[in-house]
Amino acid sequence: EIVLTQSPGTLSLSPGERATVSCRASQSVSSSYLAWYQQKPGQTPRLLIYGASSRATGIPDRFSGSGSGTDFTLTISRLEPEDFAVYYCQQYGSSPPTFGGGTKVEIK
Amino acid sequence: QVQLVQSGAEVKKPGASVKVSCKASGYSFTSFGISWVRQAPGQGLEWMGWISAYNGNINYAQMLQGRVTLTTDISTSTAYMELRSLRSDDTAVFYCARDLGSHPGSFFDYWGQGTLVTASS
Repeated sequence: EIVLTQSPGTLSLSPGERATVSCRASQSVSSSYLAWYQQKPGQTPRLLIYGASSRATGIPDRFSGSGSGTDFTLTISRLEPEDFAVYYCQQYGSSPPTFGGGTKVEIK
Repeated sequence: QVQLVQSGAEVKKPGASVKVSCKASGYSFTSFGISWVRQAPGQGLEWMGWISAYNGNINYAQMLQGRVTLTTDISTSTAYMELRSLRSDDTAVFYCARDLGSHPGSFFDYWGQGTLVTASS
């Protein structure tokens, strides 16, 4: 199965700053089948990005995804207070679908 | 609006079985698959398996093969996940999620609220 490694584990930033989360796959993710989710404490994961760069319905344009092959990035252009959460990448190009270990974006 | 409503929390002894339900509404149930994902306390997300609500095709995660069974009841738009021979490390929040992809186990746009299953003696 494809192993996804996210970095950093924790990102300490201030509101208004740019956040960049990396997701590296142990082998190439076919057709850029890579998704990103946001999860806040006690809440359900929320789909942000699919197909590496397509925003899900209702997701603000400050969230963007990029990358292909084995290297993918989630960027939040300007952090809003509600963006402090844990972010997970997930590949669905090969079975089983797998998730990264998560990156916590916390308030500095 | 699309909703997935799961059954309530369960406490089971190790070795027992648990069955979690997931009732869908707000969309055509047979047009999408349902995946199940679990999250141990303080841990990340782990995909468990997928079922097509259209034809009942199933894809299980290898590590759970033989212990998990996914089913659907299209008359009530409900999906079920049964996990047998529970161990303490099965303690987790179990989520059902609407699966948007064209192949078994893709990405998930709507999630149930989660069901905490605690396996403890």
